Amino acid sequence: KQEVTQIPAALSVPEGENLVLNCSFTDSAIYNLQWFRQDPGKGLTSLLLIQSSQREQTSGRLNASLDKSSGRSTLYIAASQPGDSATYLCAVSGEYSGGGADGLTFGKGTHLIIQP
Amino acid sequence: NAGVTQTPKFQVLKTGQSMTLQCAQDMNHEYMSWYRQDPGMGLRLIHYSVGAGITDQGEVPNGYNVSRSTTEDFPLRLLSAAPSQTSVYFCASSYTNPQGGTEAFFGQGTRLTVV
Repeated sequence: KQEVTQIPAALSVPEGENLVLNCSFTDSAIYNLQWFRQDPGKGLTSLLLIQSSQREQTSGRLNASLDKSSGRSTLYIAASQPGDSATYLCAVSGEYSGGGADGLTFGKGTHLIIQP
Repeated sequence: NAGVTQTPKFQVLKTGQSMTLQCAQDMNHEYMSWYRQDPGMGLRLIHYSVGAGITDQGEVPNGYNVSRSTTEDFPLRLLSAAPSQTSVYFCASSYTNPQGGTEAFFGQGTRLTVV
């Protein structure tokens, strides 16, 4: 059974710092990995999608890397801002027997606070 | 764009009652799924569907039924509500891009309390 772990569980940093969130998974046979952001009481917003054949993806100040063989992904946030405060979730999907991605297995998230 | 729409946003049920959580998407995605989110447990997959007429169980399917008669709709039915089903429920639809990556898009959630 796939298990996803996110470290740290919580992180508080001053505005402007660069930071790294970590995600590890136990089964390297993944279809893809997705990073989400969740604000309190809200749904999940997709940040970055990395296919199993890719090493990294970038969107603005966000960069996500994937090392499938070691079962690790990192989310790098550059020049953090108070608006980045949220819970960040990592999720992996296996491959459905009929082809395509299976359901997502989530980590428990990193609760990030950016201090003004 | 509406994306993934869930109704209702909040619901209180009595133990033993049944109800249906609605989920609709307007993106013509083939894959849809339901998750529940509980404190300390993260999000867990309940049921999913890879297309109209096809459904399958996820990690925590007991007490829930689904059907997929159209591409757009994927309702989740609670047969006989129990306090253990108190949770926040999220519906998602997924799109496979031309490069083969599958990206999931989530609704805003339904907060269910069973008393």
